[in-house]
Order: sequence, then structure tokens, then C-alpha cells
Amino acid sequence: AQTVTQSQPEMSVQEAETVTLSCTYDTSENNYYLFWYKQPPSRQMILVIRQEAYKQQNATENRFSVNFQKAAKSFSLKISDSQLGDTAMYFCAFMKRGYGGATNKLIFGTGTLLAVQP
Amino acid sequence: AAGVIQSPRHLIKEKRETATLKCYPIPRHDTVYWYQQGPGQDPQFLISFYEKMQSDKGSIPDRFSAQQFSDYHSELNMSSLELGDSALYFCASRRGDGYEQYFGPGTRLTVT
Repeated sequence: AQTVTQSQPEMSVQEAETVTLSCTYDTSENNYYLFWYKQPPSRQMILVIRQEAYKQQNATENRFSVNFQKAAKSFSLKISDSQLGDTAMYFCAFMKRGYGGATNKLIFGTGTLLAVQP
Repeated sequence: AAGVIQSPRHLIKEKRETATLKCYPIPRHDTVYWYQQGPGQDPQFLISFYEKMQSDKGSIPDRFSAQQFSDYHSELNMSSLELGDSALYFCASRRGDGYEQYFGPGTRLTVT
């Protein structure tokens, strides 16, 4: 069974600063995907960034980037130039790669509550 | 761009009542997932459908059932509601040749 661990329940960062959220996972699968989802106070689940495990290059989406270390099973999220609107719960998630239309569920970590301070 | 639609957005039921939650996936998305998020918890997978067939099942109580219809919308039926069923229920959809799941706004169910 796969597990996802986020060891930082809460974090705080000053506006315009950089912050890194940690995530580790455990799996025996070789083909999978990793995601970071943001859940603001509205409770909407918003996809921030995704990484295919077979790609060595770290994914980047504007101010958001990841540090994917497959051997270490680590998938951290770096937020640069933090903005007040980044305040939210951040969930790391794992999904096995499916074939032929097979569907696979997301397995979430327990989340990190990020507060961006003005 | 079209998003996943869930209805109702809020629902208040009493213990032992029945509730039906509806999900309308993004057009041309053929896979639907249901997740339950309790207070202060991470979302937990309940059940999924691909091309109108159940494809995977998680920690879904026997009191709950779900199906996907010919137009790809899905309904989650919950019977004999308990206080512990109070949660945010998310539906997510995925295109068959993609891997990203897109979440709806959720249905907040309160059982009193």
C-alpha cells in the first residue's frame, strides 16, 4: 500500500519570501504521478503542480516548483515570492499510473497549513 | 473552461435520513471519483467509475452506493445517515487519456 507523509502540520512565511513544503511517500510502484493540491479557505481543491515519476526534470509552474528525488521518495514544493493568496492548506498526493483506461485514486498526505504573513 | 459541477452545495439532513449527491464531470471526461473529507482531515477516496462501470472502491460504507449514468454524471446515494457522515464530499473527473483529476467545489453535508 502507498502512503504519503507531510511532516509539517503548519508553516509560516513572510510575503515575498520563499518557503519549501516537504512530502515523502512510500511505494513499491515504479510508474506513478505526484501532485500538490492547494485548498484555500473556500475548501476548493486546486491543482498546483504535477510530476510524472518517469521524468527526471523537476516540474515548474510560475512561482511553484518541485524537488523530486525518486530514490529518496521525496517530493517537496517550493513557493517563491510568496503572496497573501498563497495562504491555504497544501496537500501532497500520489497516484499509481494506470493503463488501458484503468483508473487510480489519489492518496493524500495529511496536509501542511501555510500562512503567508504581510 | 467548464468545470466539475456538484449539487447541492450544502445539505443538512437528520440521522437515519437519506441523501443523494450529484456530480457532473467536465465534458468528455469519462472517469469520476468520489472523495470524502472530514473536518481537519485529508480527502479519502470512496469510489470511482470509468465508462459507467465501477472501477475501484475505497473506504465506502455499505450504506453508500453510487453509479455513473449514460451521460457520465454520477450520483452518490447515502442512506441511514450518521453524525460521522458529516463531511465535505468531492467529486473529481478525469479524461481517459489524461491523468490529472479536476475537483468540483464539493458538497458540504451536515447530519444533525
